[in-house]
Amino acid sequence: EAQVTQNPRYLITVTGKKLTVTCSQNMNHEYMSWYRQDPGLGLRQIYYSMNVEVTDKGDVPEGYKVSRKEKRNFPLILESPSPNQTSLYFCASKPAGVDTQYFGPGTRLTVL
Amino acid sequence: EDQVTQSPEALRLQEGESSSLNCSYTVSGLRGLFWYRQDPGKGPEFLFTLYSAGEEKEKERLKATLTKKESFLHITAPKPEDSATYLCAVQDGAQKLVFGQGTRLTINP
Repeated sequence: EAQVTQNPRYLITVTGKKLTVTCSQNMNHEYMSWYRQDPGLGLRQIYYSMNVEVTDKGDVPEGYKVSRKEKRNFPLILESPSPNQTSLYFCASKPAGVDTQYFGPGTRLTVL
Repeated sequence: EDQVTQSPEALRLQEGESSSLNCSYTVSGLRGLFWYRQDPGKGPEFLFTLYSAGEEKEKERLKATLTKKESFLHITAPKPEDSATYLCAVQDGAQKLVFGQGTRLTINP
């Protein structure tokens, strides 16, 4: 089944403890992206990647890192999480030359 | 700066009562306007892409239309299973998606 998967789906952590949220797609898509969704603010792009080893900042990149060493994986790294990073995170992907992005199921992160 | 505004924030309808959701946008160089459906606790599910003013697309009870400044998602004779949050997004030439805040639609049986 073609899909975008994220792990973990739920995570509660403490301020300053490094964490990684994984994203994987099995559709051979070139483009991948991370969003966060907050009440009243909608979905906002954090980082995106046009292809392997090519990443760029979205609208809210502060406090996040990403890497794209393989085409199928696009992990989101929070090196020192803070409470304002408590949010619902979505990974998305799409093929090159196609506009429609397909979203994963989401990761609910709580930073205490 | 690209901007998307959706209205109303929330809409409650009776089953069978048709209505429309609005998405107003400003974007430099529209590459596409997207409608997604999002159920609680799930990721957005793609519905439609519209590219140029005058374009219309339909899927079951949903019909999306596009003008130069706004898009409408018309829902005809809705059923309770159409209850969800509907998201509108625009994409500019840089392939960045900018989302509106969504309209939370509830259909009462």
